[in-house]
This record gives sequence, C-alpha cells and structure tokens, in this order.
Amino acid sequence: GAGVSQSPRYKVAKRGQDVALRCDPISGHVSLFWYQQALGQGPEFLTYFQNEAQLDKSGLPSDRFFAERPEGSVSTLKIQRTQQEDSAVYLCASSLVGGSTDTQYFGPGTRLTVL
Amino acid sequence: AQTVTQSQPEMSVQEAETVTLSCTYDTSESDYYLFWYKQPPSRQMILVIRQEAYKQQNATENRFSVNFQKAAKSFSLKISDSQLGDAAMYFCAYRDNYGQNFVFGPGTRLSVLP
Repeated sequence: GAGVSQSPRYKVAKRGQDVALRCDPISGHVSLFWYQQALGQGPEFLTYFQNEAQLDKSGLPSDRFFAERPEGSVSTLKIQRTQQEDSAVYLCASSLVGGSTDTQYFGPGTRLTVL
Repeated sequence: AQTVTQSQPEMSVQEAETVTLSCTYDTSESDYYLFWYKQPPSRQMILVIRQEAYKQQNATENRFSVNFQKAAKSFSLKISDSQLGDAAMYFCAYRDNYGQNFVFGPGTRLSVLP
C-alpha cells in the first residue's frame, strides 16, 4: 500500500477485556515497530520485528502485552485483560531494511481507551 | 540509557516568521542519528529532517534546518517562513548505531498565528 495503515483507528474497551490492534506495513518493508504514546507524551518503544522474528520486546510493559507477525507482513498487538493505564495511542512503524540509517514510516495510530 | 529532552512544551510563531525548537539529548555513544518528527492532529508522524552525528554539516530541508552541536548534545530545529500547516507537535528523536528503536522527547506543541 501507499503507507502504513492501522486498524481500528479508535477502540474503546471495558477494563478486563482483551483487544487486538492491527498494523499493515508498507509492502516489502522488512522491519516493523510498535510504540505506545500516552497523552501529551512522546512515543515509547514496545517491540520490533524483522520479518517474522521478534528481535526485541524489551519495551512491552507486562506479560499482558503480546505481539506477533506470523508471515512477516501484517502484525497484531494484543493486550489481554486491559487496564486503565493501557489507554494510549498505539503507533506502528515500518522500515525497508532495518538498518540504523533506515527511515521509519509511521501509521496513524490506534487510540485505545479503557473504561 | 539515552534520554531526549525538549524543554519547551509549547511555542507559538507568527505566520512567515522564524521559530526555533530546542532539543538536548544524553548519550555515551559517538555514532548515532537524530531526527525531528512532526505529528499533526491526524496523529501521523511525519519525518521532517534527520542528522547523522558523524556529519559536521547541519542538515537542511527546504524551510527546515537544524543546529547540531555534538559537544553540547544539542539538536535544535529552525523553521523559517512559518506556515499555518506547520502547526503540530514536534518530536525530537535519537537512534543509536546499533539499536532499531527511537528514543523520543516529550514533544513541543507549535502554534502558528495568522
């Protein structure tokens, strides 16, 4: 596609519900990143994939957060038993190769509100 | 761990004027990359400009330029001839030569006054 897309754009969940957020990276991009952006703050790294391999998940805040990219393209970020502190915008980014000089292209994000 | 600081939560500039947004960072690495991203209300993060730490020459992209002071660990963004469409959150970001993820600053909200 022309850019990184994410769905849904908005998600409201009741505390304790499970949610799944989808990211469609730019076609052919090897690397995929997830970030969490709390209100009024900068994005914070969650996890990184190179193709289907999850190479870094050091930013995932708890074992309730799980990400996958089984075929090396679309990725899903799953949050189990959502808590109010999970409310944030979740951004996905992709890059062509993943080298340090590579530009990351961001999607529009999914705004998650946990009631 | 690397940190990025943006000391100006909000800035405003008159249309057609020039504004400078500040960014400082902390790292023990000598080789790294610095970025400025723009995030309008649509939430789409858009790359504005990037700077490689090994380059002494300041990066320039049309109306956008940076003042990179490596010794001072400072990386400010200058926007010339400000336009209404420049209004957005601006994030300074750091990326080292080994990691894949960015470290972002807290952002500066820029308003452009007509």
